[in-house]
Amino acid sequence: EDQVTQSPEALRLQEGESSSLNCSYTVSGLRGLFWYRQDPGKGPEFLFTLYSAGEEKEKERLKATLTKKESFLHITAPKPEDSATYLCAVQANQAGTALIFGKGTTLSVSS
Amino acid sequence: NAGVMQNPRHLVRRRGQEARLRCSPMKGHSHVYWYRQLPEEGLKFMVYLQKENIIDESGMPKERFSAEFPKEGPSILRIQQVVRGDSAAYFCASSPEGTAAFFGQGTRLTVV
Repeated sequence: EDQVTQSPEALRLQEGESSSLNCSYTVSGLRGLFWYRQDPGKGPEFLFTLYSAGEEKEKERLKATLTKKESFLHITAPKPEDSATYLCAVQANQAGTALIFGKGTTLSVSS
Repeated sequence: NAGVMQNPRHLVRRRGQEARLRCSPMKGHSHVYWYRQLPEEGLKFMVYLQKENIIDESGMPKERFSAEFPKEGPSILRIQQVVRGDSAAYFCASSPEGTAAFFGQGTRLTVV
């Protein structure tokens, strides 16, 4: 069964304290891995898509990496405005084009 | 370029009533997806549509739920005879080619 597991469930950081979020996946064949940010009461906001092991993408303080079994979202020198829930999702070859989501990591950054 | 538009943002229905959720995809996007987010749960796929066609409804409950994406107008997710367990946030996403999906702000359905 295709599955996505995110850890930790919650993460508290001080402003400037870098860290990483983990997304482990089990799929029959990976078509793509997606990262989203979701603020309370809002819809997911697209961040990155990764397609193959070794691929990396960056956007401001965020950097996403991909291996054959997991993806990391690295947050460098976070600011309070980075506080949100970060969602990981995979698109599996045998799931059509639907995304399979993890439950997310809720990040809180305090000043 | 407006994003994915969903309305209403909040909807309250009594048990047994019908709920209609609307989604207008981004301009140029012909692929629409509906997802449901229950409290403390991740987003779950419900249905995938293209204009006038249901492509994949494997995540849709067999009864009371239906979806359409007509040639003209928004996509509609319809829930008949709502029950308390239907209370959730329903998100619509659109894409141009079935790849990265861009989400709307969601409709929060409360069944009382």
